[in-house]
Amino acid sequence: GAVVSQHPSWVICKSGTSVKIECRSLDFQATTMFWYRQFPKQSLMLMATSNEGSKATYEQGVEKDKFLINHASLTLSTLTVTSAHPEDSSFYICSARDRGTSSYNSPLHFGNGTRLTVT
Amino acid sequence: AQTVTQSQPEMSVQEAETVTLSCTYDTSENNYYLFWYKQPPSRQMILVIRQEAYKQQNATENRFSVNFQKAAKSFSLKISDSQLGDTAMYFCAFMNTGNQFYFGTGTSLTVIP
Repeated sequence: GAVVSQHPSWVICKSGTSVKIECRSLDFQATTMFWYRQFPKQSLMLMATSNEGSKATYEQGVEKDKFLINHASLTLSTLTVTSAHPEDSSFYICSARDRGTSSYNSPLHFGNGTRLTVT
Repeated sequence: AQTVTQSQPEMSVQEAETVTLSCTYDTSENNYYLFWYKQPPSRQMILVIRQEAYKQQNATENRFSVNFQKAAKSFSLKISDSQLGDTAMYFCAFMNTGNQFYFGTGTSLTVIP
């Protein structure tokens, strides 16, 4: 089945530094990838939609200068948390849809998530 | 904007019994897709079942089935013969014509041996 690899699985960084999270589709091409944030025992909150070769679309309330998204190829999207602060500590999950399947009924394939802790 | 509501934050069921998780959604669109995802303690999101809004027949995947009531905007998940491995968070999700997914708040299901 379709596999999405997300790296790293966990990261600890100091306040003020930047952290990059990678999301790769291993056996399919994805023109669109999605980035979610999940707080403990809560649902997934859509942060942004990453479009290959164009700018990401951010959800209301998500700072695009804070959370930089780059979708440089059909298999890779990156999320960079810039000047991280402790309130950015969370679980970040990426997902992708196989462009080769009918977009209307193809489900999202999820990465395993990245646990970010900012100290 | 679409909203997805799961009114049961926590549920439990005895092993081998049947449990139903509820989900309602709000949309003005006529064509859309609905999904149930499972998130075990590993936090990996796993697709359980999906339903096309234009299909009246309820989707079924082995022990998992849905009760889709389009007029009522309801999409409940029934798990039959519950197994210990079914213990997880369950998220109902809505996909609109813009291919964006929106998730409900989740239901934590515990299967009791």
